[in-house]
Order: sequence, then C-alpha cells, then structure tokens
Amino acid sequence: DTGVSQNPRHKITKRGQNVTFRCDPISEHNRLYWYRQTLGQGPEFLTYFQNEAQLEKSRLLSDRFSAERPKGSFSTLEIQRTEQGDSAMYLCASSPALNSPLHFGNGTRLTVT
Amino acid sequence: AQTVTQSQPEMSVQEAETVTLSCTYDTSESDYYLFWYKQPPSRQMILVIRQEAYKQQNATENRFSVNFQKAAKSFSLKISDSQLGDAAMYFCAYRSGAQGGSEKLVFGKGTKLTVNP
Repeated sequence: DTGVSQNPRHKITKRGQNVTFRCDPISEHNRLYWYRQTLGQGPEFLTYFQNEAQLEKSRLLSDRFSAERPKGSFSTLEIQRTEQGDSAMYLCASSPALNSPLHFGNGTRLTVT
Repeated sequence: AQTVTQSQPEMSVQEAETVTLSCTYDTSESDYYLFWYKQPPSRQMILVIRQEAYKQQNATENRFSVNFQKAAKSFSLKISDSQLGDAAMYFCAYRSGAQGGSEKLVFGKGTKLTVNP
C-alpha cells in the first residue's frame, strides 16, 4: 500500500493559463474523490468517481474545471483559464467501498499569480 | 443542505492532559455518519474516528473518544493523555447515510490543536 499519490506537489501558474493535476489512488480502490481546501477552511467537495464514472459534481466545479478517470485508475483534474481565486490545495482521496474510510493524498498546492 | 460548525479555531493542551474539541452539525436526515479527521502540518489527512448515527454507543479508538448527542446535533472529540504527535488541525465531517445519497463529506472549518510539552 503506497498510499494516494498526487502530482505535482506544487504548481505556480499565471492567471489565464491551464493546469492539470494527477491523482493515483490506492490500487483497487474504485472510489476517487477530489476536494479543494483554501487557507483557514475545511476541504470542500468537488467531484467523485466510481470506477470511470463521474457520479457527482459540486456546483463549485465551474465550466472551467473538468475531471476524468479513464479506465477507472488514475484521475486528472484540469482547470482552464485559471483565476486567482483558484489558488488552493487540491486534495484527492480514494476508498475501496462506500462505507470504508477515505485515504487522502498529500495534495497539490496551486498558486495563481 | 448540511452544515458542520467547529466553534473553536484553536485549542491548546498540556502533554498528558485531556482536551475536548467541539462540533455541531445541521441536517434533516436521520441516517448519516460523522467523522473526525486529523491533518498534521504538511502531511496528509487521516481518519481519527467515525460514528454511525444509528448507533447509540459512542465510538472509541484508543485515546480518542466521541460524545455523540444526536438530539442536540453535537459530536465532540475527546483526546485523553495528549501526546506531542496529536498536534494538528482537526476537522469534523458529515456524510449522508441515505441509500443512493451523496457520498461527499461536508467538513467544518477545523480546530488547530497545539500540544505543549
């Protein structure tokens, strides 16, 4: 069990650029979640996959955000035309079943200048 | 919509002492789960303890226990014999238990716990 892996750990980008983050869940975990955490706040839910199917999306996930999980393995979260308000820690978590604990990654910290 | 409130932005405790972190929540659902997560500085978030709403007995995990008051919608975390490694942000979280319901966790804003030697 190597844990949930997120890359990159840090990303600095200029406003208007596109960024993509990657999450590799624990092997055989069919559920994968994305959360966003801003300074001084708890994580906020963005979206969730069961295998390759995206089953739930938050209203926080504007048209500029898109997430994929091809083949039900790793997932990517893309933000187009980044804005300063997108600066946050983006957390990925996975779990093997509905009532199992979530295993979180270390997150990707995005800074938009 | 469900909300989770943690009214203590920061708490401190002396090593070996006991501390209680508060959490209240609002929901109209009868079936749900409550969690406490720990986020150490620059490290990943880990589950401390969880409580199913249908269980009357308070959950316990070693030095960590909860006081679950369903009618009052209160879910506090007690840490006994505090250790330096307990220093972290603690988040209270809610998840619906309704069949076919949302699987998202709703988090509070967190409480920063400092453990003094």
